[in-house]
Amino acid sequence: DIVMTQTPLSSPVTLGQPASISCRSSQSLVHSDGNTYLSWLQQRPGQPPRLLIYQISNRFSGVPDRFSGSGAGTDFTLKISRVEAEDVGVYYCMQATQFPLTFGGGTKVEIK
Amino acid sequence: EVQLVESGGGLVQPGGSLRLSCAASGFTFSSYSMNWVRQAPGKGLEWISYISSSSSTIFYVDSVKGRFTISRDDAKNSLYLQMNSLRAEDTAVYYCARESVASDSWGQGTLVTVSS
Repeated sequence: DIVMTQTPLSSPVTLGQPASISCRSSQSLVHSDGNTYLSWLQQRPGQPPRLLIYQISNRFSGVPDRFSGSGAGTDFTLKISRVEAEDVGVYYCMQATQFPLTFGGGTKVEIK
Repeated sequence: EVQLVESGGGLVQPGGSLRLSCAASGFTFSSYSMNWVRQAPGKGLEWISYISSSSSTIFYVDSVKGRFTISRDDAKNSLYLQMNSLRAEDTAVYYCARESVASDSWGQGTLVTVSS
């Protein structure tokens, strides 16, 4: 199974400041079809997960452009350029390159 | 608008069974693969099962193989998860999620509690 490791576990951020979350996979997420099926999800308190980014860097419909994803192979990053109050929650990376699909342990973004 | 609504959760004794349903609307259900994902109280997300649009491909996480069965009824726009031989560690909120470019739409979840 592919293990997804996220850092940090918690990220206290000042409103308006940037935040960055790292996700590392135990093996390359490049699929045989050439795509890399790494996505980022946001889970606000008491809510279901919501897709933010798919295939490393593509923002899903309706996602603000302050969210961006980057990376390749086994190392990936989610960046929030200027954190807003509504961004509070837990962020997960997820790989869908190989079954079983696996998630990172989550990073809690909170306001200082 | 895409909508996924899970139902069927509840309190069940260890060894018991439950059948979860996920009612889909707002899109052509038959064209999409679907996943079940669960979240134990205060914990992270765990994928548990996948079914392709044609039901021809099905996968499970090892911890539920032989106990859980995923299925779909495209005529009813519904996804199901039959859960047998339930254990305390199956206690979680169960989400269904549509799979397109990624798991792009999620339901609100249904809580399953396995306890005596």
